[in-house]
Amino acid sequence: EIVLTQSPATLSLSPGERATLSCRASQSVSTSLAWYQQKPGQAPRLLIYDASNRATGIPARFSGSGSGTDFTLTISSLEPEDFAVYYCQQRSNWPPITFGQGTRLEIK
Amino acid sequence: EVHLVESGGGLVQPGGSLRLSCAASGFTFSSFSMHWVRQAPGKGLEWVSYISSSSSIHSADSVRGRFTISRDNAKNSLYLQINSLRAEDTAMYYCARPLISSGWSGFGYWGQGTLVAVSS
Repeated sequence: EIVLTQSPATLSLSPGERATLSCRASQSVSTSLAWYQQKPGQAPRLLIYDASNRATGIPARFSGSGSGTDFTLTISSLEPEDFAVYYCQQRSNWPPITFGQGTRLEIK
Repeated sequence: EVHLVESGGGLVQPGGSLRLSCAASGFTFSSFSMHWVRQAPGKGLEWVSYISSSSSIHSADSVRGRFTISRDNAKNSLYLQINSLRAEDTAMYYCARPLISSGWSGFGYWGQGTLVAVSS
């Protein structure tokens, strides 16, 4: 089973700042990695798939990069609505599909 | 517009059973694989089970032998039969659809979830 480790667990930033979230896989997943945003009481929302492709309707301030075992989700300039929990997910070597444990992005 | 609506959750005693349903609309259901994902209260996301458009299935080790995924393309519906429930199965259960019908594109569409609570 591929384990995804996200860091940091919590990130405290202010609106307008740049956010950099990391996801590291226990073995290569090529580019079969997705990122999700989840707000309290809501289902997750797909942000990025195939490591760097923005899903439909996702603002350009969200970008993904990486391949193999190291991946990054970058939010170029935080908006108030971006404060949420973010998860990475892989489907390279499955089953199972696995998720990271999440990074909580909170307002500083 | 794609809609996924789960139902069937509730409070059940340990060892009990439930059948979760996911009603799909706004797309050609028979052309897409589907998944169940769960989230325990205050915890992260856990993939549970998958069914292809041709009804091949995969499940997580934690539920294999107790949970069974199925689909009825004529009714545009996805199901999860959950048996031998344990306290650790308490979670919100989401159905999810890939963004596109082929390849891997992440789960582009999610339902609102149905809550399963296992307690005596």
